[in-house]
Amino acid sequence: DAGVTQSPTHLIKTRGQQVTLRCSPKSGHDTVSWYQQALGQGPQFIFQYYEEEERQRGNFPDRFSGHQFPNYSSELNVNALLLGDSALYLCASSLQFVRFGGRPSDTQYFGPGTRLTVL
Amino acid sequence: SQQGEEDPQALSIQEGENATMNCSYKTSINNLQWYRQNSGRGLVHLILIRSNEREKHSGRLRVTLDTSKKSSSLLITASRAADTASYFCATAIFNTGFQKLVFGTGTRLLVSP
Repeated sequence: DAGVTQSPTHLIKTRGQQVTLRCSPKSGHDTVSWYQQALGQGPQFIFQYYEEEERQRGNFPDRFSGHQFPNYSSELNVNALLLGDSALYLCASSLQFVRFGGRPSDTQYFGPGTRLTVL
Repeated sequence: SQQGEEDPQALSIQEGENATMNCSYKTSINNLQWYRQNSGRGLVHLILIRSNEREKHSGRLRVTLDTSKKSSSLLITASRAADTASYFCATAIFNTGFQKLVFGTGTRLLVSP
C-alpha cells in the first residue's frame, strides 16, 4: 500500500521565480491538504482540495495556488517567490467520502515533504 | 498562526525514562492528534483523541485531553534512543464538513543512550 509521495525532494529557486510541487495521496484517499513548515516552527495549513475544488484555505496570499486532478493527485504552485517562502512543504492525504456507509477518516497521512530554498 | 503552544520546547532524557509533553490550544476542537517528525522530514501520525475522550493508550504512548482547560499531554514510557524526534500536537478544526489541522510549536525530544 503506497503512502503519500511528494516530488521533488529538494528544490532551489531564486526570488521572483515560480515553483510547482507535486503530491500523490495514499491509495484510496480523496482529499489533499498542503502545509508549510518554516524552520523551527510547526506546519501551517495552506489549503485543501477535494473533488478538484479548493475547500478550505489558510492565511496565505494568492501567490499560493493549487490544483487537484481526477486521480486525486495535487499540485501546489507558488508565484513570485520570496525569500520567506523557503520552507518544508508537506502534503497530507485523507479520506472525505466513504462509500456504502462508514465515516470519513479524521487522520491525515503526511508525505516526506519538499524542501524549497529561495535564494 | 499557531493554534497553541507546547511545553517544554526541548526535553533531554536518558533511555528508559518517561517523557511528558504538554500542549495547549485556544479554540473548540473535534479531535486532537499527535505527530512525530524526524530530522525535518514528514510527519508520522502517532495517536488521535476525540473531544469526548479523556485518555487514550497506544503501546508506550498515553495521551490525555482536558477540554475544560484546553490542554493535552503525551506521555512516552520507557523511552528509547529511537524516540528522539520533534513531537507536535495538532487540533482538528472542522469547517463545512472539512477538517484542517492547526499545529503547535512542537517539543524537541532527545533521548540519550
